[in-house]
Amino acid sequence: GAVVSQHPSRVICKSGTSVKIECRSLDFQATTMFWYRQFPKQSLMLMATSNEGSKATYEQGVEKDKFLINHASLTLSTLTVTSAHPEDSSFYICSARGQRDASYEQYFGPGTRLTVT
Amino acid sequence: GQQLNQSPQSMFIQEGEDVSMNCTSSSIFNTWLWYKQDPGEGPVLLIALYKAGELTSNGRLTAQFGITRKDSFLNISASIPSDVGIYFCAGVTGNQFYFGTGTSLTVIP
Repeated sequence: GAVVSQHPSRVICKSGTSVKIECRSLDFQATTMFWYRQFPKQSLMLMATSNEGSKATYEQGVEKDKFLINHASLTLSTLTVTSAHPEDSSFYICSARGQRDASYEQYFGPGTRLTVT
Repeated sequence: GQQLNQSPQSMFIQEGEDVSMNCTSSSIFNTWLWYKQDPGEGPVLLIALYKAGELTSNGRLTAQFGITRKDSFLNISASIPSDVGIYFCAGVTGNQFYFGTGTSLTVIP
């Protein structure tokens, strides 16, 4: 099956610093990648949808200047949390949809646990 | 975004029992997906359904795409301890994915 990796798996940073999370599709090309945020024991909250080579589309209520998304290639998307604050602490998960995939499936990365102190 | 209604919210069952959960929506979807998420991990795709009425199995798991296209069901037979986790449904239309609220499953040995 399709494999999606995320790096880092865990990160602890100080308030005010920026953190970059990478999402890679390892064995397929992803024209579309999605970024989610998940709070404990809750469902996935879509933050933004990114298409390769174009600007990301953010969900209502998500600050685009705080959560910078770059989808520079068909296998890599990055999420940068700028000027992080403790309330940004969460589990961030990316997913990818294949380029020639006739179906409508998403494959998820293993997630990144961000803790802002 | 829209979230689908998933029930039950949580289940505590004995090992060996069968499990049923469902997902409902007020909207029609073209595809239904079922995922399982282990603690601290990303969701893993279990079953994908593409046609109304479709019944698909993956080992002990069986899922159905409702005739009305507004619901889907997941059954797990003869549960085992490693079935523990949170199960999410997802309805898909175009490039839009809508996730259910999740069903937390606990299997008691």
